[in-house]
Amino acid sequence: QVQLVQSGAEVKKPGASVKVSCKASGYTFTSYGISWVRQAPGQGLEWMGWISAYNGNTNYAQKLQGRVTMTTDTSTSTAYMELRSLRSDDTAVYYCARDLGGTNAAFDIWGQGTMVTVSS
Amino acid sequence: SYELTQPPSVSVSPGQTARITCSGDALPKQYAYWYQQKPGQAPVLVIYKDSERPSGIPERFSGSSSGTTVTLTISGVQAEDEADYYCQSADSSGRVFGGGTKLTVL
Repeated sequence: QVQLVQSGAEVKKPGASVKVSCKASGYTFTSYGISWVRQAPGQGLEWMGWISAYNGNTNYAQKLQGRVTMTTDTSTSTAYMELRSLRSDDTAVYYCARDLGGTNAAFDIWGQGTMVTVSS
Repeated sequence: SYELTQPPSVSVSPGQTARITCSGDALPKQYAYWYQQKPGQAPVLVIYKDSERPSGIPERFSGSSSGTTVTLTISGVQAEDEADYYCQSADSSGRVFGGGTKLTVL
């Protein structure tokens, strides 16, 4: 079945970096993009950015420009999201989602989420 | 990136109809999408392209659009529909979510 499986929970200190993985299966990885979405405790959903699994093109939320990098490894059908210079307000559940793209900008498949805790 | 505005909460009794609105200036030009999120779970797409329903989503979920407002309607609400609901759209800058609406089934 079509699914996205994310890496496990992380605990980081302020100023450190975190890299979360998202492994796709059940579909042709390069036919869709991957968006990353985060959710701070008790808060709403925040779109972080998108990467094309076809050619690696990216589009990052302005708020995170300069701190976030999204990449893909087509040989393993895996997407990665790296966030640098972590702060306490980066504590959140991070989701990857299949982004249908084009005129249908829906996220139809979601990973299970990865909890990232930033604490000294 | 523009904003999408949702009411923080909506309450309905079982069997009644729930309507959750989402407003945004770009909605006349961009499709809207709706997600249901239950505690501790990832969101689930329930409506795409304003009014289309993915396979596996019950028929009681429907979507509509009028001007700068889109509406998610849940007919014959059931206890299991209690959840947070988020609208989402897109513009040239990327994707944007509304603030979310907590649906309480009384």
